[in-house]
Amino acid sequence: ETVLTQSPGTLSLSPGESATVSCRASQSVVNNYLAWYQQHPGQAPRLLIYGASTRATGIPDRFSGSGSGTDFTLTISRLEPEDFAVYYCQQYGDSRGFTFGPGTTVDIK
Amino acid sequence: QVQLVQSGTEVKKPGASVKISCKASGYRFTNFGISWVRQAPGQGLEWMGWISAYNGQTNFRQKFRGRLTMTTDRTTNTAYMDLRSLTSADTAVYYCARGRLEWDFLDAFHTWGQGTKVTVSS
Repeated sequence: ETVLTQSPGTLSLSPGESATVSCRASQSVVNNYLAWYQQHPGQAPRLLIYGASTRATGIPDRFSGSGSGTDFTLTISRLEPEDFAVYYCQQYGDSRGFTFGPGTTVDIK
Repeated sequence: QVQLVQSGTEVKKPGASVKISCKASGYRFTNFGISWVRQAPGQGLEWMGWISAYNGQTNFRQKFRGRLTMTTDRTTNTAYMDLRSLTSADTAVYYCARGRLEWDFLDAFHTWGQGTKVTVSS
């Protein structure tokens, strides 16, 4: 299966700063079927980005995704208080099964 | 609007089975598949499997093959996940989720259920 690694594990930032989260795949992600999710404690994940760079419905434009092949990035510009959460990447291009990265915590500095 | 509503908290003993429901509304149930994802306490997300609500076709994560059964009931627009031979390692919140594309397995999870907490303890 496709293994995803994320870096950094934790990002400590202040509101208004920008966050960059990386996701690397053990093999090329088919069709760049790479998604990013946000999760707050006690809540279900929320889809932010799919197809590596397309924002999901209702997601603010301060969230952006980029990358292709094995290297992908989630960028959050101008962090708002509600953006402090855990972020997961996921590949959904492997017909043998989907996998998630281990998560990156963005917390308040 | 599209909504997935899951059944409530479960407490099970080791060796038992658990069956969780996921009731769909706001769309044509048979046009989309449902995936199941779990999250152990303090851990990340793990995809378990997917079922087509149209024809019952399934895709499983290899580790759950033989222990996981996924079904759908088109009369009640409900998907079910049945996990057998539970151990403490199965303690987790279980989510159902749906994609955006009709008929397609290869899709991100645009809609999630609220989650069902399952605790396995003697």
